[in-house]
Amino acid sequence: GENVEQHPSTLSVQEGDSAVIKCTYSDSASNYFPWYKQELGKGPQLIIDIRSNVGEKKDQRIAVTLNKTAKHFSLHITETQPEDSAVYFCAASKHNFNKFYFGSGTKLNVKP
Amino acid sequence: GAVVSQHPSWVICKSGTSVKIECRSLDFQATTMFWYRQFPKQSLMLMATSNEGSKATYEQGVEKDKFLINHASLTLSTLTVTSAHPEDSSFYICSAKKGTNQETQYFGPGTRLLVL
Repeated sequence: GENVEQHPSTLSVQEGDSAVIKCTYSDSASNYFPWYKQELGKGPQLIIDIRSNVGEKKDQRIAVTLNKTAKHFSLHITETQPEDSAVYFCAASKHNFNKFYFGSGTKLNVKP
Repeated sequence: GAVVSQHPSWVICKSGTSVKIECRSLDFQATTMFWYRQFPKQSLMLMATSNEGSKATYEQGVEKDKFLINHASLTLSTLTVTSAHPEDSSFYICSAKKGTNQETQYFGPGTRLLVL
């Protein structure tokens, strides 16, 4: 089965700085990689996703990069703000397969 | 949009009782819904996958008689924790997919269950 590893487990940055969270996956057949943000006591919210036919995707301050050869993908948040503080999860799945394989999560703390 | 709701948001029950949690897709039809369990400071653990009109598929180690799942319509799935015990206390989250060819899962806000 698929194994997704996520690093770091905690990340503390100063407001305005950039934050990068990295994930690796083991199954080369995985082709869909979403990122979720989870605030305390709430459900995860999709913030960005990428499919394997694309190397990079950007949405305002958030970007995701994918390296299929190395089997890793990363979340980049620029100009961080205190409201970006949350736990971020990466996931991997295969087309037409239902199951998401989640990373262990990264707690991001943006200090004002 | 893709809004998923859960009810209740939190529930406290006595040991031995059963608790039902509802998951609804509010603005789309969900052919597939998922139930997750999350312990504090941990990742999401998939419990089962439910398709409308068919039996749920449970992950290894999840007791199907303990966690009853019903997906009676394209907008509603329910999880019933039967004969709840304190170790069942957790944060239960559902998610839904918009269509069979859609990969994205949209999550509900979660239900916190405390069994006394």
